[in-house]
Amino acid sequence: DVKVTQSSRYLVKRTGEKVFLECVQDMDHENMFWYRQDPGLGLRLIYFSYDVKMKEKGDIPEGYSVSREKKERFSLILESASTSQTSMYLCATTQGRNTEAFFGQGTRLTVV
Amino acid sequence: GESVGLHLPTLSVQEGDNSIINCAYSNSASDYFIWYKQESGKGPQFIIDIRSNMDKRQGQRVTVLLNKTVKHLSLQIAATQPGDSAVYFCAENYADKLIFGTGTRLQVFP
Repeated sequence: DVKVTQSSRYLVKRTGEKVFLECVQDMDHENMFWYRQDPGLGLRLIYFSYDVKMKEKGDIPEGYSVSREKKERFSLILESASTSQTSMYLCATTQGRNTEAFFGQGTRLTVV
Repeated sequence: GESVGLHLPTLSVQEGDNSIINCAYSNSASDYFIWYKQESGKGPQFIIDIRSNMDKRQGQRVTVLLNKTVKHLSLQIAATQPGDSAVYFCAENYADKLIFGTGTRLQVFP
């Protein structure tokens, strides 16, 4: 079974803090993605990566950056957290093109 | 069906009935489609997929229909059970990215 593990289920951070969300997968998948999920808006793509040290902007990259130093790990960074970034964050992986995405359990981030 | 905006569409069905959840996708060049189920507090889980060279695919109690002419996808669940209660998302693969719809909540009542 593919396992996608996000480091935290719940996080509370203060406005202006730098926040790291970690995602680790154990199936040697090439592609990794970060989404945020908000009520009524579905899942929106923030950043994705097709290889180590490679990153591409998704639909809503503003206020975020990512890091992929190792194949199995994809980190989402909020440089200076704002209340508008309060959301559910979901990490996903795929093996290749036109294959299903496997999701982590999500991190619910609250910025106060 | 799914729609853009803050309100999550809800489908209420009686246990044992069939459910049909609809989705309008955006890009005519999309070539792969997936339905996901998300239960409260969990990440989305794969249900069934279909490639653009097909118009129908069946799984266990689920069927996905694809109409490329009108860019429409549907998920049919046979004999809906209480455990089917969840939010359902369609996703299209476009330019090597999975683009998700806004979701439909399925409520199953006895």
